[in-house]
Amino acid sequence: GESVGLHLPTLSVQEGDNSIINCAYSNSASDYFIWYKQESGKGPQFIIDIRSNMDKRQGQRVTVLLNKTVKHLSLQIAATQPGDSAVYFCAENIGGSARQLTFGSGTQLTVLP
Amino acid sequence: DAGVIQSPRHEVTEMGQEVTLRCKPISGHNSLFWYRQTMMRGLELLIYFNNNVPIDDSGMPEDRFSAKMPNASFSTLKIQPSEPRDSAVYFCASRSGTGRGGYTFGSGTRLTVV
Repeated sequence: GESVGLHLPTLSVQEGDNSIINCAYSNSASDYFIWYKQESGKGPQFIIDIRSNMDKRQGQRVTVLLNKTVKHLSLQIAATQPGDSAVYFCAENIGGSARQLTFGSGTQLTVLP
Repeated sequence: DAGVIQSPRHEVTEMGQEVTLRCKPISGHNSLFWYRQTMMRGLELLIYFNNNVPIDDSGMPEDRFSAKMPNASFSTLKIQPSEPRDSAVYFCASRSGTGRGGYTFGSGTRLTVV
């Protein structure tokens, strides 16, 4: 049947556990990737980025892994907190000088007490 | 830094009316983007500007949509006439041309066309 809307993948984790959010990107020519977090009623917020010449980058409590062979990106959140509950989007730069980004459909992360 | 500022936060209008959404990018950012977010289609790029010049408007759905950037600190997205299917959250984002980092998004305008 016809989809009536995006069926966001969902991930529920216990507070304090680690979270892994996955993303498959489409274009093998993409050279720059970003993870965004969007809380209810707010705009997407930059979390971390990675260039295609890297396979791992770490931030504060977050790590992004890039596997170009299978065109897969993941975001790992250590010691997940209630404030991490949000929709997480990966975005890829398809090309262009203005870093035009194409966004994935998002994953809803829910942190359980 | 106040971030990207959008107005209004919410807009409810009747079908057929003109709607104007406004955006003030971060000072010094030279790229500005308008996105639309719906449950059906997620985040879609409508148009982006570089140094106030429209670069790619291929995402603008129809001639009813138009966007302008008269100067580096202001942009508008206009829908005339509006239709119920235009109901969505419209985001403006800006980016500096130098250095790494993604866009900074505004808080969005939630548009409801009845």
